[in-house]
Amino acid sequence: SQQGEEDPQALSIQEGENATMNCSYKTSINNLQWYRQNSGRGLVHLILIRSNEREKHSGRLRVTLDTSKKSSSLLITASRAADTASYFCATDAQTGANSKLTFGKGITLSVRP
Amino acid sequence: GAGVSQSPSNKVTEKGKDVELRCDPISGHTALYWYRQSLGQGLEFLIYFQGNSAPDKSGLPSDRFSAERTGGSVSTLTIQRTQQEDSAVYLCASSLVRASETQYFGPGTRLLVL
Repeated sequence: SQQGEEDPQALSIQEGENATMNCSYKTSINNLQWYRQNSGRGLVHLILIRSNEREKHSGRLRVTLDTSKKSSSLLITASRAADTASYFCATDAQTGANSKLTFGKGITLSVRP
Repeated sequence: GAGVSQSPSNKVTEKGKDVELRCDPISGHTALYWYRQSLGQGLEFLIYFQGNSAPDKSGLPSDRFSAERTGGSVSTLTIQRTQQEDSAVYLCASSLVRASETQYFGPGTRLLVL
């Protein structure tokens, strides 16, 4: 099964509302990242939070990490129609020197104008 | 500077033909990855390069898939005897040193096998 699993699978909100997306994972991590994807093309990195951090901000984005619950949340405040995209969380599955990111299946966010 | 580039953007091929997909990572990035994404699905890890060597090939779905990287830069993903189930978007990403760092993605190659 996926290391990172996002919840909900799909989210539809009105412009101006806040969007909260969650990610749960199974094994210990060094960091967790959130990415955004428009129209099935390349992903764009949004934010990285390390295992010793609890909260991080970047513009309208706020990410929290709870390592005891093995979960993270991404909050987008004052959403805009342009925020419509798929959002993925990714965790590192460090196994010695060959660490790699494992991506979840993504959350489809629709922001209605 | 330039980001990750991939070519071609789109590829339509007939079942049974071979295809080559190319990835140019960001200059100086030593780590390079290939992923596959089927319609509406998440990213499926295929292979990871550190320099020219591939310490993790665990995601390659069959022996029809192979990849190489030369000069610590350009990478080519080759699919032999393509099947319809190979139809997907193939994404390449690079990172500065380690796989768990921020990855920078290319726009992808959309492959359609008829």
